[in-house]
Amino acid sequence: DVKVTQSSRYLVKRTGEKVFLECVQDMDHENMFWYRQDPGLGLRLIYFSYDVKMKEKGDIPEGYSVSREKKERFSLILESASTNQTSMYLCASSLGLYTDTQYFGPGTRLTVL
Amino acid sequence: AQSVAQPEDQVNVAEGNPLTVKCTYSVSGNPYLFWYVQYPNRGLQFLLKYITGDNLVKGSYGFEAEFNKSQTSFHLKKPSALVSDSALYFCAVRPNTNAGKSTFGDGTTLTVKP
Repeated sequence: DVKVTQSSRYLVKRTGEKVFLECVQDMDHENMFWYRQDPGLGLRLIYFSYDVKMKEKGDIPEGYSVSREKKERFSLILESASTNQTSMYLCASSLGLYTDTQYFGPGTRLTVL
Repeated sequence: AQSVAQPEDQVNVAEGNPLTVKCTYSVSGNPYLFWYVQYPNRGLQFLLKYITGDNLVKGSYGFEAEFNKSQTSFHLKKPSALVSDSALYFCAVRPNTNAGKSTFGDGTTLTVKP
């Protein structure tokens, strides 16, 4: 079974802090994704990566950056956290970009005070 | 731009009755369609997908969905609901021309009562 793990289930940070969310997958998948999930808004794509060191902006990249130095690891960075970035963050991976299923991690609930 | 609509925020059914969770989409080109389920405090889990071929797709836990191109719909169905089916359900669409960028609906909360 594919396993996608996220470094923290719950995280509390202060406004202006730099925040790192880590995601690791163990199935040698080419593609990794970061979403945020907010009630009534579904999942919105922040960034995705289709190869090591490659990234593409999703629908809401503002205020975020990403890093993929190794195939199995995809990091989401909030350079200066703000209260409107309080949300549930979900990481996912997939083998292919078009037809393949995405496998999701358990999520990180981030609260920015 | 692609979009997904799940017109019902909440669906309530009695255990043993059939259930339907609705999804309509808008996309350029041919769509790839997915259903995911999220149980409380868990990540999303894949249920089923339509890529091509037979319009009726069967998936995990007895769920199925029918792709209807003329109505641009992909409704999720199950003949007999279980209390354990209670969860949040997401429909997602990915066009065959836009690699990587899936669009998810807002989600539908399904509650199955004993």
